[in-house]
Amino acid sequence: EVQLLESGGGLVQPAGSLRLSCAASGFTFSSFAMTWVRQAPGKGLDWVSSISDSGSATFYADSVKGRFIISRDNSKNTLSLQMNSLGAEDTAFYYCARDLRGSGTCDYWGQGTLVTVSS
Amino acid sequence: EIVMTQSPATLSVSPGERATLSCRAGQSVSSSLAWYQQRSGQAPRLLIYGASTRAAGIPARFSGSGSGREFTLSISSLQSEDFAVYYCQQYKNWPRTFGLGTKVEIK
Repeated sequence: EVQLLESGGGLVQPAGSLRLSCAASGFTFSSFAMTWVRQAPGKGLDWVSSISDSGSATFYADSVKGRFIISRDNSKNTLSLQMNSLGAEDTAFYYCARDLRGSGTCDYWGQGTLVTVSS
Repeated sequence: EIVMTQSPATLSVSPGERATLSCRAGQSVSSSLAWYQQRSGQAPRLLIYGASTRAAGIPARFSGSGSGREFTLSISSLQSEDFAVYYCQQYKNWPRTFGLGTKVEIK
């Protein structure tokens, strides 16, 4: 069974940093691209970043480019998102998702971790 | 970036009736279009990709159609578990973009 478990969310002050992790199991992690999607409370879905299966290619939304870094450790089946210079607009649930092979869609999602940026 | 526009914002439907949701892309995305369902308090769930291919385990009452700029998600006979928010997403170009969603509520 495919499982994605996010961790690392919490309350952080404006301009602060936070690192999210996603532990993957139930599939060959190194064979799939992975994605982070966020959702502000009561709002719609917002694609954040994606990384190729090898980690050699990364993609970012303009809103996070230069502030967030996506990475993966295929030896530990772990996806990460380093978030720097956080602002109130980054407050959201952050979902880790697996990309459907050969597609730019996400076929499995974690339950999300909440990041709150507030003083 | 490609703007995705969904309509209507809210759709009121009686159980057993058909629901038709629309999604329009700001420019052609060919068939690189997906639909997701999000029930209250849950993570999104992939329903349709490639504009018309049902994802694994998705009931046949869900169908997708369209190409280019205009797309439709149809739910043939609404069940209680289908009342949720539905999002379209294009993956033709980076950045991937979502529509704002259509809430399907009980009439």
